[in-house]
Amino acid sequence: QKEVEQNSGPLSVPEGAIASLNCTYSDRGSQSFFWYRQYSGKSPELIMFIYSNGDKEDGRFTAQLNKASQYVSLLIRDSQPSDSATYLCAVRQAYGQNFVFGPGTRLSVLP
Amino acid sequence: GAVVSQHPSWVICKSGTSVKIECRSLDFQATTMFWYRQFPKQSLMLMATSNEGSKATYEQGVEKDKFLINHASLTLSTLTVTSAHPEDSSFYICSARVELGQFSYEQYFGPGTRLTVT
Repeated sequence: QKEVEQNSGPLSVPEGAIASLNCTYSDRGSQSFFWYRQYSGKSPELIMFIYSNGDKEDGRFTAQLNKASQYVSLLIRDSQPSDSATYLCAVRQAYGQNFVFGPGTRLSVLP
Repeated sequence: GAVVSQHPSWVICKSGTSVKIECRSLDFQATTMFWYRQFPKQSLMLMATSNEGSKATYEQGVEKDKFLINHASLTLSTLTVTSAHPEDSSFYICSARVELGQFSYEQYFGPGTRLTVT
């Protein structure tokens, strides 16, 4: 069983719509959750992190965490073509442990 | 965010030769760095964890004698691909752990090095 799962996509949304990216994880004891964006041919860049249940907003991005359901999501409001990239979910089980990355979801925002 | 650099950004080498990739933390000290490999259209694969002043910890299936890692200072880790073969052609990305305080840290990536072995 994979530790961090994501739908590989591609997820296609029209420009201006809300893109919803989902991630599930298997270790119930996981404590920290991160979203990275990776453009083709580039390395990942950190977008957001979330540690507590609920929503965390940063500009057009909102991370949502539900530890009971072992589910974390990233919402992108007012999607732009420049948001087209692969989004990686990363989970850290406990302090001192490595991040575990999901396979990524490819998002395509259509103009 | 923290800045991590890699050098070179791309390299082409002949089969059988060795290639060294450098990873530097530019504005912070990194006691822990990571080396990942990513093949086209695939996710990141952690190769090894590099701790300053000690031996690297390799993931299962990664040959430690082929992928030599040295973390000699708090700002520099190097990955040497020895006796490279075409199947080693990949995108190699380093990452550094940034301590934010007690029990809190983030991970930032370098820009990556694209290795092509001919």
